[in-house]
Amino acid sequence: AQKVTQAQTEISVVEKEDVTLDCVYETRDTTYYLFWYKQPPSGELVFLIRRNSFDEQNEISGRYSWNFQKSTSSFNFTITASQVVDSAVYFCALSDWLGGGSRLTFGEGTQLTVNP
Amino acid sequence: ETGVTQSPTHLIKTRGQQVTLRCSSQSGHNTVSWYQQALGQGPQFIFQYYREEENGRGNFPPRFSGLQFPNYSSELNVNALELDDSALYLCASSHMTFGNTGELFFGEGSRLTVL
Repeated sequence: AQKVTQAQTEISVVEKEDVTLDCVYETRDTTYYLFWYKQPPSGELVFLIRRNSFDEQNEISGRYSWNFQKSTSSFNFTITASQVVDSAVYFCALSDWLGGGSRLTFGEGTQLTVNP
Repeated sequence: ETGVTQSPTHLIKTRGQQVTLRCSSQSGHNTVSWYQQALGQGPQFIFQYYREEENGRGNFPPRFSGLQFPNYSSELNVNALELDDSALYLCASSHMTFGNTGELFFGEGSRLTVL
């Protein structure tokens, strides 16, 4: 069975600090995708990144970076120089294939609060 | 903005009633999935529809049912509502092709409160 664990329930930082959100996953599949989504108070899940299980290169997008380590089944997300607008709930998710499309298994989420 | 719209945005029902939630997929998307998100938890997969057929189902009882229409819009129906059905219901659309990576585009959800 697929499982995603986000051990940090809540994180609070001061603006401009760097913050890392942890994600550990379990799957028996050899091919899978990992995702990060941001959920602001409006409720909509905003797509941040998708990573193929065969691609372990780290990725950077502006202030965001992701560290994928297959050996430890982790896919951590770092925000550099955090801003108040980064305050939201962040979800890590793992996909498996249903044949007609993909199903996502989400972690419980990490509530990030960035204080001015 | 993802182009996925859901209605209603908020609604209140009482135990035992029935509810229908609606979703309009992003243009060109042929697959729709529904997720339930209880307060303080991650979204849980309910089911997925592809070409008007249910294509996979999570651990939800049969009183949760759905439809996908030829224009790829979708409905989620829940019968005999229970208090624990109170949650945010998220619709997500995607375009299925072989090797689809599962990039789902989510709507803002319908928040259901059962009293």
